[in-house]
Amino acid sequence: GAVVSQHPSWVICKSGTSVKIECRSLDFQATTMFWYRQFPKQSLMLMATSNEGSKATYEQGVEKDKFLINHASLTLSTLTVTSAHPEDSSFYICSAGTGWGYEQYFGPGTRLTVT
Amino acid sequence: AQSVTQPDIHITVSEGASLELRCNYSYGATPYLFWYVQSPGQGLQLLLKYFSGDTLVQGIKGFEAEFKRSQSSFNLRKPSVHWSDAAEYFCAVGGWDTGRRALTFGSGTRLQVQP
Repeated sequence: GAVVSQHPSWVICKSGTSVKIECRSLDFQATTMFWYRQFPKQSLMLMATSNEGSKATYEQGVEKDKFLINHASLTLSTLTVTSAHPEDSSFYICSAGTGWGYEQYFGPGTRLTVT
Repeated sequence: AQSVTQPDIHITVSEGASLELRCNYSYGATPYLFWYVQSPGQGLQLLLKYFSGDTLVQGIKGFEAEFKRSQSSFNLRKPSVHWSDAAEYFCAVGGWDTGRRALTFGSGTRLQVQP
């Protein structure tokens, strides 16, 4: 149980275009979803937290107009990287939590390369 | 603010040897503690967690961790390492931080297993 999927697993896009990453909880309802960014050989950095039906809460330093997060249902959250640039290339990981617990279930990640 | 320190960036052990990965945390109240493992290019898999109760926690893949409040530590152990255990290991602490529910990760420890 507690499986989280991400799609796509790997995407290459050209500079200036937008790319959408989906995060789905497959066998449970996720009241809260989290988006992380991970640079090579580094830890995870929280980008934003989203609750179903509410606006996402972004961490300090994260551009909310660049990284659009939508949490339209209890099983789906999307991250859209708008007007992508090479410096946005990274590994993006989503996670999902239930209720008020602190345990998070992680997706397999999406590797974004912007050329 | 809560924080996690993993003092060992890289550890190499021989297959069959015992393993201990260190984790120290800083948190004002009783923390929720987690150990995750990440294989290259993959998301995070939960190894074990501590919320309350018995301070020695058993996890998957033969791992265990001990919560020591007096030392603010939550070290991960395994009596006999297998080659498949080679991966990146992250310790995390959960709790309320700056008004939001958060999971804070350590910088990770990369485990290499020698045959």
